[in-house]
Amino acid sequence: DIQMTQSPSSVSASVGDRVTITCRASQGIGNWLAWYQQKPGKGPKLLIYTASSLHGGVPSRFSGSGYGTDFTLTISSLQPEDFATYYCQRANSFPPGFGQGTRLEIK
Amino acid sequence: QVQLQESGPGLVKPSETLSLTCTVSGGSISSYYWSWMRQPPGKGLESIGYIYHSGSTNYNPSLKSRVTISLDTSKNQFSLKLSSVTAADTAVYYCAGSPNTRYFDFWGQGSLVTVSS
Repeated sequence: DIQMTQSPSSVSASVGDRVTITCRASQGIGNWLAWYQQKPGKGPKLLIYTASSLHGGVPSRFSGSGYGTDFTLTISSLQPEDFATYYCQRANSFPPGFGQGTRLEIK
Repeated sequence: QVQLQESGPGLVKPSETLSLTCTVSGGSISSYYWSWMRQPPGKGLESIGYIYHSGSTNYNPSLKSRVTISLDTSKNQFSLKLSSVTAADTAVYYCAGSPNTRYFDFWGQGSLVTVSS
């Protein structure tokens, strides 16, 4: 079973900062990776799919990169609405697997 | 804009069957793949399985013996049944929809189900 490990588990940042979150797969998964944003009391929201493709309606300050085992999600200039928990998800096979989450907090 | 809403009992007794329904609005259930996920308190997300509008299903092997996902196209709903529940099945349960089996475009807000006597 392929494990997904995110780092850091939490990060504090300020509005306007650039933030990068990392996701590592225990085996290569090509570019079959997605990123989601989750706010309290809500279901996750798809941000990025196939590692770097922006889902419709997602602001361009979000970007993704990576291939194989190492992936990153970057938010270029944090906005107040970006403070949330972020999850990566491998999509190379069923069942999909998720990282444990990265909580992005206001500094 | 497709919207999803979970409904069902918030408390289930051990050894009984957990039943949840997801109502789809703003789009037809006769499209897309429809999935169930769950998130135990303080833990990560876990896929339970999905159903296609044709009725074909695929379940997580770790839960396969206890899971049934079904469609009711007349009501634009799909449902989850999980039998023989234990405290380990306590979680927030989400329904989700997508045009493929890999990524999940639409999510409900989640329904907390507690297994306790």
